[in-house]
Amino acid sequence: DSGVTQTPKHLITATGQRVTLRCSPRSGDLSVYWYQQSLDQGLQFLIQYYNGEERAKGNILERFSAQQFPDLHSELNLSSLELGDSALYFCASSVGAGAETDTQYFGPGTRLTVL
Amino acid sequence: DAKTTQPTSMDCAEGRAANLPCNHSTISGNEYVYWYRQIHSQGPQYIIHGLKNNETNEMASLIITEDRKSSTLILPHATLRDTAVYYCFPNTGRRALTFGSGTRLQVQP
Repeated sequence: DSGVTQTPKHLITATGQRVTLRCSPRSGDLSVYWYQQSLDQGLQFLIQYYNGEERAKGNILERFSAQQFPDLHSELNLSSLELGDSALYFCASSVGAGAETDTQYFGPGTRLTVL
Repeated sequence: DAKTTQPTSMDCAEGRAANLPCNHSTISGNEYVYWYRQIHSQGPQYIIHGLKNNETNEMASLIITEDRKSSTLILPHATLRDTAVYYCFPNTGRRALTFGSGTRLQVQP
């Protein structure tokens, strides 16, 4: 158990819908990272928040957005869902903003299925 | 970015040591070598990291060659639960972790 929690574990929805994925970091961690993993693309970095502020952005679609709240939990919002958004979504957390020894610990993931 | 090369797959007998090699010949001086694993569809799990000295924790040992161009992850007594894909990569502290293809380790009973 990494200490990172994600809800829900599974989500099934229809195309065009909007969903929200939630992540709680390990106690004491200030950074939250979001990743998408689909079968054909491996692990793709989406976005990082550090202490409530956006810190780094990866291949995140405009239909996707995220935020980190004062209690440091984070939410990833996915809208206008398409079949291709079906994937595992992982959240990771780390203590700092991203130094060489800033280890990221991953949550168990949310499996999103878009029908 | 430093590139890594790992065997596609390896087998290991349960109870024996699993030695997983990684080549990172273009690693630069400030890059740490990190190892993670991913058991089928679970979240990637941090194993260990090191800069130039050998490291050991409760999960594994990491042996880094003196020239830092390669490393070996050692699981001293592999169990069936160690069956997973193992990833090694240098980390400069970039926010995005980049997992390559990794080594699929199959522990056989």
